[in-house]
Order: sequence, then structure tokens, then C-alpha cells
Amino acid sequence: GENVEQHPSTLSVQEGDSAVIKCTYSDSASNYFPWYKQELGKRPQLIIDIRSNVGEKKDQRIAVTLNKTAKHFSLHITETQPEDSAVYFCAAPKPVDSGYALNFGKGTSLLVTP
Amino acid sequence: NAGVTQTPKFRILKIGQSMTLQCAQDMNHNYMYWYRQDPGMGLKLIYYSVGAGITDKGEVPNGYNVSRSTTEDFPLRLELAAPSQTSVYFCASSYSGSIGYEQYFGPGTRLTVT
Repeated sequence: GENVEQHPSTLSVQEGDSAVIKCTYSDSASNYFPWYKQELGKRPQLIIDIRSNVGEKKDQRIAVTLNKTAKHFSLHITETQPEDSAVYFCAAPKPVDSGYALNFGKGTSLLVTP
Repeated sequence: NAGVTQTPKFRILKIGQSMTLQCAQDMNHNYMYWYRQDPGMGLKLIYYSVGAGITDKGEVPNGYNVSRSTTEDFPLRLELAAPSQTSVYFCASSYSGSIGYEQYFGPGTRLTVT
């Protein structure tokens, strides 16, 4: 099945700096890559996703890039703010009967210090 | 819409006890999922359902059972609780199992087995 490796496991940045989280996947047929943010004690929530027909997608301060050849995709957060502190999960589709589930990376704990 | 709801929020079980984690969604979603989240290990799929009356195993189904008698409800049953089942359990739903449909998560149930 699809394996998703996520790095780093922890990341600490100063407020205003950029943060980059990288994921690699194994199934070259994978074509959809979402990112979820989970604040402490809360549920995971989708923040951005990308399909394999584009190389980059932006939404204000966050962006996701995809390199299909190398089979990796990355989350970029610019001008980080303390409220960006959370655990971020990448995911890739995993075929199941009648559709797809998601295989999640192990998560990156991002800390933004003022 | 309440979205995806889960009860209880917290529970402590003794080894060998049984319990049912409740999950409901009011978005008329066909697909529902149960994940467990262990520290530093991401989200692992326990069971999923593609519609009422249809369920199937995910990556870590041992020790759990599910049923899907209605579109709205997807309870997870633990028959003989073991310490290894100490975890945070998330239920999720999506409109479709096709690529690109967002999974919406419930608030989670924190279970401790002692």
C-alpha cells in the first residue's frame, strides 16, 4: 500500500520566518495530496490540497508544491504567526473498495515562537 | 449542521471491559471512517464504510468492530479492552470516496485502558 513519509517530526521557527514540511510517497499513481492542521486538543482540519495536474497551489500564506517525478510534496508557510503552531499532517490516497481512504504521515509539530 | 459528532469525549476503561464509541454525521455523507491517533504515529485507519450496511477493515482492525445501520451513524465497538487500545479515536466522513473529497473529522474520543 501507499507509504507516506513526513519530515521533520518537529519544527521550531521564529515568528515571521517561513516553515517548510516535506512528504514523500511511494505510489506513483497517487494523484491527490491534502494537508491537515491539528491544533492542540482539537480535530484535524483540511487547510490545503493539491491534485497531480498542478505543481503548486497557494492560499494566502500557505502553499503546497508537488514534484511528481521525485514523488514528494511540501507545505510552505510564510510569515509564520504564533497561531500557526499546531501539528500538520500530509496524506495520500489509498485505494479501498469503492473509492479511496487516506494514508497519513506521522505529523510535524510546528512551534512558532514570538 | 453539527457536522461530525462523537461521544463520549473521554473514557477510562479497565482491561477486559467493553464499550461503544458513538459517531454521527448530519451532512448526508456516504463514506465514514474510524481512525486512531497515537502520539507521534499519525492517524491509522481502523474501519471504514462506503454506505449503510457496508463496512470493511482498514489498517488496524484487530480488537474492534463496527456497524452501519444508517447513513448517519457509525459506532465503533471495543469488546475486550486492552492497554494497547489506549489512544485518541477520530471518526471522519466524506461525501464521496472519490479523489478530492474532504474528510471531515469529529472532535475525538480520548480512551485510556488501565
